[in-house]
Amino acid sequence: AQTVTQSQPEMSVQEAETVTLSCTYDTSENNYYLFWYKQPPSRQMILVIRQEAYKQQNATENRFSVNFQKAAKSFSLKISDSQLGDTAMYFCAFTTFSGTYKYIFGTGTRLKVLA
Amino acid sequence: EPEVTQTPSHQVTQMGQEVILRCVPISNHLYFYWYRQILGQKVEFLVSFYNNEISEKSEIFDDQFSVERPDGSNFTLKIRSTKLEDSAMYFCASNAGTSVSYNEQFFGPGTRLTVL
Repeated sequence: AQTVTQSQPEMSVQEAETVTLSCTYDTSENNYYLFWYKQPPSRQMILVIRQEAYKQQNATENRFSVNFQKAAKSFSLKISDSQLGDTAMYFCAFTTFSGTYKYIFGTGTRLKVLA
Repeated sequence: EPEVTQTPSHQVTQMGQEVILRCVPISNHLYFYWYRQILGQKVEFLVSFYNNEISEKSEIFDDQFSVERPDGSNFTLKIRSTKLEDSAMYFCASNAGTSVSYNEQFFGPGTRLTVL
C-alpha cells in the first residue's frame, strides 16, 4: 500500500525568505503523480504544483518548485520569496492508477509566513 | 473560474440520524470523489464515482455510506446512521478525466460534520 509522510506539522518563515516543506512517500509503482495542494484558512484546497514520476526534471511554478528524488522517494516543496498569502496548510498527495486515481495524502504542514 | 461547491458548510446531527452531504462538481468533470479528514488526522479517501457507479471505495466506506448523482449536477454522500466517529470534515472533489488534466482533482471547501 502507498503511504505519504509529512514530518513537519508546523513551520514558519519570514516574509521574503525561502522555506522547504518535506514529503516522503512509499510505493512499488513506477508510474505515478505527486502533488502539493495549499489550503488557506477556511478555503478549499488548490493545486500548487504537480510532478509526473516519469519526468526527471523538477517542476516549477513561479515561486514554487519541487525537489523530486525518485530513488529516495522524496518530494519536497520550496517556496521562494514567501508572501503573507502563502500562509496555509500544505498537503502532499500521491496518485497512481488503481481502478481510479484516488489521492493518498500526507498529514499536512501548517505554514505561517511572518511579517 | 469554475469551482466545486459543497453544502452545508457545517452539519450537526444526533448519533443514529441520517445525513446527506451535497456537492456540485465542476460541470464538465467526469470523476467524482469523497474524502474525509478527522480532526488532527490525514485526509482519507472514501469513494470514487464514474459513469454513475462506484469505481473504487475504501474500507471506511461501509454499508452505512452511499453515494449518488441524482440529477446530473449534484453528487451526494449519505450516511445512514451516523456514529460519533463519523465526525470529520468531508471533502468532495472532481476531475476532468482528460489526458491533459494530469489527474488534477479540484476540491470543494468541505462540510464539517459533527455527530453528538
